[in-house]
Amino acid sequence: GQQVMQIPQYQHVQEGEDFTTYCNSSTTLSNIQWYKQRPGGHPVFLIQLVKSGEVKKQKRLTFQFGEAKKNSSLHITATQTTDVGTYFCAGSGIKGSGYALNFGKGTSLLVTP
Amino acid sequence: DGGITQSPKYLFRKEGQNVTLSCEQNLNHDAMYWYRQDPGQGLRLIYYSQIVNDFQKGDIAEGYSVSREKKESFPLTVTSAQKNPTAFYLCASSIGTGVYNEQFFGPGTRLTVL
Repeated sequence: GQQVMQIPQYQHVQEGEDFTTYCNSSTTLSNIQWYKQRPGGHPVFLIQLVKSGEVKKQKRLTFQFGEAKKNSSLHITATQTTDVGTYFCAGSGIKGSGYALNFGKGTSLLVTP
Repeated sequence: DGGITQSPKYLFRKEGQNVTLSCEQNLNHDAMYWYRQDPGQGLRLIYYSQIVNDFQKGDIAEGYSVSREKKESFPLTVTSAQKNPTAFYLCASSIGTGVYNEQFFGPGTRLTVL
């Protein structure tokens, strides 16, 4: 089963508020990827983190990989209605996963204007 | 126009029937994947293939079968042995076989078994 935990499951914010979703693994990850799925759509790759303590930014989105490579976060500053969707993290390097990524269950973000 | 195509977008079948979902990619990717998505469950891996004529089971392979006879095609058959087949099925591909490669997803097929 999945070994990447993601919280919260849902988040409802007012436009302009910040948003953060967290991804946790009980074992060390070799890398972590983040995807966004718009309602009715399919997941689209956002970014990959590989190094311990890595921080990457994409405009209002900030991605972090923990020092122990067991957790990651996605932070959105000043949310907009276009940020609506489900954000998934996916990790690898978990024992028994072979060459496949293990996806978290996702955090669904709703932004009201 | 490169990408992954899945057809049909919506599929209805009667209980007890096998059904095959198609997935085609023209990205020249080596690896292909099938995921199942249920509400609140995220993406669960059914099967993946790293190369033609080879594939591995994922976390929930029971009741499903696949083939990889061509690099660009990775069809998924949902058999009558799958107890809860109604779900959203996503196909994906990546350029290489390692987990460091981003996955490109198709638009998905929503299967409803009546």
